[in-house]
Amino acid sequence: EDQVTQSPEALRLQEGESSSLNCSYTVSGLRGLFWYRQDPGKGPEFLFTLYSAGEEKEKERLKATLTKKESFLHITAPKPEDSATYLCAVQAPGGGNKLTFGTGTQLKVEL
Amino acid sequence: KAGVTQTPRYLIKTRGQQVTLSCSPISGHRSVSWYQQTPGQGLQFLFEYFSETQRNKGNFPGRFSGRQFSNSRSEMNVSTLELGDSALYLCASSLGTRTDTQYFGPGTRLTVL
Repeated sequence: EDQVTQSPEALRLQEGESSSLNCSYTVSGLRGLFWYRQDPGKGPEFLFTLYSAGEEKEKERLKATLTKKESFLHITAPKPEDSATYLCAVQAPGGGNKLTFGTGTQLKVEL
Repeated sequence: KAGVTQTPRYLIKTRGQQVTLSCSPISGHRSVSWYQQTPGQGLQFLFEYFSETQRNKGNFPGRFSGRQFSNSRSEMNVSTLELGDSALYLCASSLGTRTDTQYFGPGTRLTVL
């Protein structure tokens, strides 16, 4: 069975203090790894898709990387508006579009 | 381009009742997936519909069902509601091809009393 584990569960940063979120996964043949951001009371917002080990993608202060067993979401010089829950999900072959999600990392960026 | 829309946004029901939730996907998207989100279990996959056919199903009881119409709009139904069905129900749409991105709607918050 596909499994996704995210750490830490919660993270508090000062504005400008860079850090990384971890997503470890177990899946038989990864088709894609997805990162989403979710604000309270809203649906997840798509950030990145990674398909193969060694791949990296960037968007503003965020950079996602992928290895054969885990993915990292690096946040450089975060701002308070980056506060949200970050969700990682994997997609496996034969499951249609089914995503298996981790429980997320709740990020709080303070002034 | 308009995003995924879900109606209603909030719903309060009592145990034993049934409920129908609606999802309108992004224009041109043929796949609609449904997820249940709770504080304890996180986001869990319910089922996916593609071209009016259920393509995949998660580990939920038969009380949870869905359908998709020819215009790709989808509905999910929960019969004989239980307290544990209280959750945020999220719909996501995609083109339906392999590894394409799923875009989520704002969700329907269901409270069962």
